[in-house]
Amino acid sequence: QQQVKQSPQSLIVQKGGIPIINCAYENTAFDYFPWYQQFPGKGPALLIAIRPDVSEKKEGRFTISFNKSAKQFSLHIMDSQPGDSATYFCAASLSSSGTYKYIFGTGTRLKVLA
Amino acid sequence: GAGVSQTPSNKVTEKGKYVELRCDPISGHTALYWYRQSLGQGPEFLIYFQGTGAADDSGLPNDRFFAVRPEGSVSTLKIQRTERGDSAVYLCASSFSLGETQYFGPGTRLLVL
Repeated sequence: QQQVKQSPQSLIVQKGGIPIINCAYENTAFDYFPWYQQFPGKGPALLIAIRPDVSEKKEGRFTISFNKSAKQFSLHIMDSQPGDSATYFCAASLSSSGTYKYIFGTGTRLKVLA
Repeated sequence: GAGVSQTPSNKVTEKGKYVELRCDPISGHTALYWYRQSLGQGPEFLIYFQGTGAADDSGLPNDRFFAVRPEGSVSTLKIQRTERGDSAVYLCASSFSLGETQYFGPGTRLLVL
């Protein structure tokens, strides 16, 4: 119930393409869903986050789509660039329940070809 | 500094030794978190602090692991009798308060030989 399942494990797209990374969860009590970007040798950096009261959120080229009934959420990267090549992690937390740890997915390694 | 800092950036030790990993959170952040990231995996929660107290240490794998935050700022993760399976990247994060977005440091890469 505490797991967050992420797919695909890896993804290769051409420059300008729109990679989509998907995450699914079981625990309906999760109430905060951040996405992190991690480059080799660096710590995860927050990209964008969403709460379950909205179905979509956009920040620059990054969009989260959220489907509460299906317990799924996804990250879309518009007009992808080679500099977007990194590992992306989704996460979930139950902050309103007094538990503030993040449960992370297993990551998606994205490669954007020039 | 502007972000979370962690020292050392790399640590190589021998099986059975004791290690300390340090985290300096973003100034003004009251909540501090430790995670462990194994190769090819997402970060796994270890412990978090609100102020000086450990609010949730349910992720610590066993009693060889211990963390402190005596003055409510810097935190130290302590690992006794290290084992090869402890090799991982240890990540620290901080947030303005519990429930706010967590900002991660660069991590300490621990290798136990």
